[in-house]
Amino acid sequence: QLVLTQSPSASASLGASVKLTCTLSSGHSTDAIAWHQQQPEKGPRYLMKLNRDGSHSKGDGIPDRFSGSSSGAERYLTISSLQSEDDADYYCQTWGTGIRVFGGGTKLTVL
Amino acid sequence: QVQLVESGGGLVKPGGSLRLSCAASGFTFSDYYMSWIRQAPGKGLEWLSYISSTGSYTNDADSVKGRFTISRDNAKKSLYLQMNSLRAEDTAVYYCARDQEYDSSGQPFDYWGQGTLVTVSS
Repeated sequence: QLVLTQSPSASASLGASVKLTCTLSSGHSTDAIAWHQQQPEKGPRYLMKLNRDGSHSKGDGIPDRFSGSSSGAERYLTISSLQSEDDADYYCQTWGTGIRVFGGGTKLTVL
Repeated sequence: QVQLVESGGGLVKPGGSLRLSCAASGFTFSDYYMSWIRQAPGKGLEWLSYISSTGSYTNDADSVKGRFTISRDNAKKSLYLQMNSLRAEDTAVYYCARDQEYDSSGQPFDYWGQGTLVTVSS
């Protein structure tokens, strides 16, 4: 079964960096994922597609502060030089033939 | 630029029906699969349904299978979600999103609409 696991919450200080983790379920460790951001009271926004080798392609207008990396079944989203507008929910998501799956989301608090 | 605009949400009684629409612009609509995703209050994102670029193939999540029907009109560049037998737990913001290209290249959900709220309550 295709499942994505995310920690429910994370926090980091303004100007610092944070690394969010998304773990693919057994048998799916080579799958690509996507990261999406949802700021309070807004719709989701696509950040990037992240491949098994860590290569990633970002969406339109996504700042260089956002980057992705991979290790085994784990996919990471790193946000550097945190700004107040990065205070948001972050969802990883993957797909297969006939199915699309979201992780439970990580609420990032910028202190 | 790519734009997706949902409409049709509102208040409906349990057991009732509602049809959501999503108007697309800024890209060749007929080249892309499309999906509906929802978010219940205070909860995460839940994928519901997707439809192939021609409309010939659809697939639904188990939570809505048999109650919700996705469809599209490529001439009108529009996506639809017919929702029947609505329940209180269907209360959510409903988003349409661009999915993969017709040849399964690219990745789902690179563009999202702003969402439309559906409230199921007596």
